[in-house]
Amino acid sequence: DSGVTQTPKHLITATGQRVTLRCSPRSGDLSVYWYQQSLDQGLQFLIQYYNGEERAKGNILERFSAQQFPDLHSELNLSSLELGDSALYFCASSSGGLETQYFGPGTRLLVL
Amino acid sequence: GIQVEQSPPDLILQEGANSTLRCNFSDSVNNLQWFHQNPWGQLINLFYIPSGTKQNGRLSATTVATERYSLLYISSSQTTDSGVYFCAVIRTSGTYKYIFGTGTRLKVLA
Repeated sequence: DSGVTQTPKHLITATGQRVTLRCSPRSGDLSVYWYQQSLDQGLQFLIQYYNGEERAKGNILERFSAQQFPDLHSELNLSSLELGDSALYFCASSSGGLETQYFGPGTRLLVL
Repeated sequence: GIQVEQSPPDLILQEGANSTLRCNFSDSVNNLQWFHQNPWGQLINLFYIPSGTKQNGRLSATTVATERYSLLYISSSQTTDSGVYFCAVIRTSGTYKYIFGTGTRLKVLA
């Protein structure tokens, strides 16, 4: 158990809908990272937050947004969903940089 | 953009064998990571290794940044080493880039 929790574990929804994925980092970790893993695109880095502020941005679509709250949990919002958004979404946390990064179990999203 | 290539794409080993996985990248980077994804999907950060050599038990990694490659060594492989190994490179100068390779799928047979 990495100490990083993600909810829900599975999510099935329809095209055009909006969903919210939640991540709770390990106790004391200030950084949260979001990744997408799909059959087509492989693993992709989406975005990083550090203590509530956006720190780095990767291949995150404009239809996606994220935030980190004062209690340090983070949410990834996916809107106007398309079939191609079906993927495993991972969250990771670290105390600062990438050296001490721990991953959650992922949320598997299926868009029908 | 930065290209990250991993080889071999697939590898089957007998338990106890050693192996070397390679990660080549096409441009200068600031950092490099190695990950293991087990057959149940869990991702583990193995190494954060922008340059030099690091060891962690039976695993070690070497990055030669000037020649744009990194190697992951697995010695005395065990069935629990099975899964997919990914490398990722990060460039922080200019536009931030954090790019994953397509992975090496390893199966260790008992």
